Amino acid sequence: QSALTQPASVSGSPGQSITISCTGTTSNVGSYDFVSWYQHHPGEAPKLMIYEGYKRPSGVSNRFSGSKSGNTASLTISGLQADDEADYYCCSYADSNNYVAFGGGTKLTVL
Amino acid sequence: QVQLQESGPGLVKPSETLSLTCTISGGSISNYFWSWIRQPPGKGLEWIGYVSYAGITNYNPSLTSRVTISVDTSKNQFSLSLSSVTAADTAVYYCARVWFGDLFAPNFDDWGRGTLVTVSS
Repeated sequence: QSALTQPASVSGSPGQSITISCTGTTSNVGSYDFVSWYQHHPGEAPKLMIYEGYKRPSGVSNRFSGSKSGNTASLTISGLQADDEADYYCCSYADSNNYVAFGGGTKLTVL
Repeated sequence: QVQLQESGPGLVKPSETLSLTCTISGGSISNYFWSWIRQPPGKGLEWIGYVSYAGITNYNPSLTSRVTISVDTSKNQFSLSLSSVTAADTAVYYCARVWFGDLFAPNFDDWGRGTLVTVSS
């Protein structure tokens, strides 16, 4: 059982927006701005999409955005494209014990 | 962007030690931290731990009694050793580079493609 809870699946049509939630606790998501998000196409290397809650690494499309409210972080993908179909994982770091936790992953299907 | 490649046995017997190596190309192992992450079949990602280029380590508390991550700067490689394995350790194992952002929290900005390790007799 993952320390962070994500929905197993979400779906959307091309051009639409979707949001993936990531619920933690006051020990991780709620207390720190350390949430990151990874995109994983099966068989490929995972890719960092968002770090420190809302920041995008160089080269990541601005269609990807991150936010947080209380103990829940969210990843929003706007203008859905076929290539966005992948698994998405949230990740949180707690510097109180130097612990890194991943969510269980969400499978995004582009209809 | 560096390239990372995992290597090691794809089959390990129960109670034995799983050993994997990650070879870094296109960049130096120096001045970075490096991590192992795994994904059991049908499940999510699990952080195993990370090591600095100077050998400082930080492990997942659930694995700390069985895991060792080490670095070999002369070969531009780092390694994972997981002892006393069981079927629950069957997973795809990824190596990744740790990048510390503006708030000095760890993020994983370059990954290998992963290698499947099956624990079975």
